[in-house]
Amino acid sequence: AQTVTQSQPEMSVQEAETVTLSCTYDTSESNYYLFWYKQPPSRQMILVIRQEAYKQQNATENRFSVNFQKAAKSFSLKISDSQLGDTAMYFCAFISFQGAQKLVFGQGTRLTINP
Amino acid sequence: DVKVTQSSRYLVKRTGEKVFLECVQDMDHENMFWYRQDPGLGLRLIYFSYDVKMKEKGDIPEGYSVSREKKERFSLILESASTNQTSMYLCASRTDGQGEAFFGQGTRLTVV
Repeated sequence: AQTVTQSQPEMSVQEAETVTLSCTYDTSESNYYLFWYKQPPSRQMILVIRQEAYKQQNATENRFSVNFQKAAKSFSLKISDSQLGDTAMYFCAFISFQGAQKLVFGQGTRLTINP
Repeated sequence: DVKVTQSSRYLVKRTGEKVFLECVQDMDHENMFWYRQDPGLGLRLIYFSYDVKMKEKGDIPEGYSVSREKKERFSLILESASTNQTSMYLCASRTDGQGEAFFGQGTRLTVV
């Protein structure tokens, strides 16, 4: 069974700093997607960024980028020039395209951006 | 815009009651999911459905059942609510293949 682990329950940085959130996963499959979702206090889950496992190039979306290390099964999220609006819970998620397409989440990291 | 709508934002029920949580999506997605979210545990999958009338157990199905009679609607049923089912419940849907999952706004259920 696939598992996703986020080892940082909470993080806190100053506005404009760069912060990296960690995620590791466990799977024996080769074809899958990884996602980072953001959940602000409003509770609405929002997709931040996605990475296809077959792509070697790391995904980027404006201030958000990932460091995808397939062999190490690591998928970290870097937020550059952090803003107060980045304060939220962040969840790492995994889905395989072999067999049942279960979307599996990690435990989450609560990120606080301080003014 | 894709919309996933959960029937209630907040719900208070008594122990032993049968509880229905409804979720409707408007994008003709094949797959729908029910999660519960608890502090420190993240999102844990209860059940998911990949087609009408098709369902599969997730990681924590005990005490729950689901129904998917129509493609757009996925219901989570607590047969006899207990206090340990007090939690945030999130519904999601996605299309096959590459699609991201879209989430409802969540239902905070309190069982007293």
